[in-house]
Amino acid sequence: GENVEQHPSTLSVQEGDSAVIKCTYSDSASNYFPWYKQELGKRPQLIIDIRSNVGEKKDQRIAVTLNKTAKHFSLHITETQPEDSAVYFCAASNTGRRALTFGSGTRLQVQP
Amino acid sequence: DAEITQSPRHKITETGRQVTLACHQTWNHNNMFWYRQDLGHGLRLIHYSYGVHDTNKGEVSDGYSVSRSNTEDLPLTLESAASSQTSVYFCASSPAGTGPLEQYFGPGTRLTVT
Repeated sequence: GENVEQHPSTLSVQEGDSAVIKCTYSDSASNYFPWYKQELGKRPQLIIDIRSNVGEKKDQRIAVTLNKTAKHFSLHITETQPEDSAVYFCAASNTGRRALTFGSGTRLQVQP
Repeated sequence: DAEITQSPRHKITETGRQVTLACHQTWNHNNMFWYRQDLGHGLRLIHYSYGVHDTNKGEVSDGYSVSRSNTEDLPLTLESAASSQTSVYFCASSPAGTGPLEQYFGPGTRLTVT
């Protein structure tokens, strides 16, 4: 089955700096890669996703890149703000098996 | 507005008891999923369903069961609760269609087995 590894487990940045979270996956059939943000005590919220026919996708301060050959994808947050502090999860799935396999999460702390 | 709800939000039960967690969505989504979240493990798939009367096991299905009698509901049953099943449980749903689509999560149920 699919295995998703996520790094780093914790990340602390200064407000205004950029943050990068990286994930690798094992199943070459995976073709959908969402990123979720989870605040303490809340549900995971989808913030951005990318499909395997696209190499990069941006939405304001967040972007995701995908390297299918290397089987890795990354989340980039620019101009970080204190409200970006949360746990971020990457995940992978494919057309046949629509359930998500999640990484173990990255706790991002943005210091004001 | 369409939504996905879970009940109860918090539950304390004793070892060996049967427990059922409810999940209800009003989006008319075909796909529904149950995950559990434990510190250090992210979210792990318990069971999932692609439609009425369809159920499938996920990676951590032992000790859990689901049934899908209508589109809106996918209840999760712990047959005989164990302390290892203390966790936060999230239900999610996604629409049918070609290719994988966005999953939306319910608010979660915090279950404590004593």
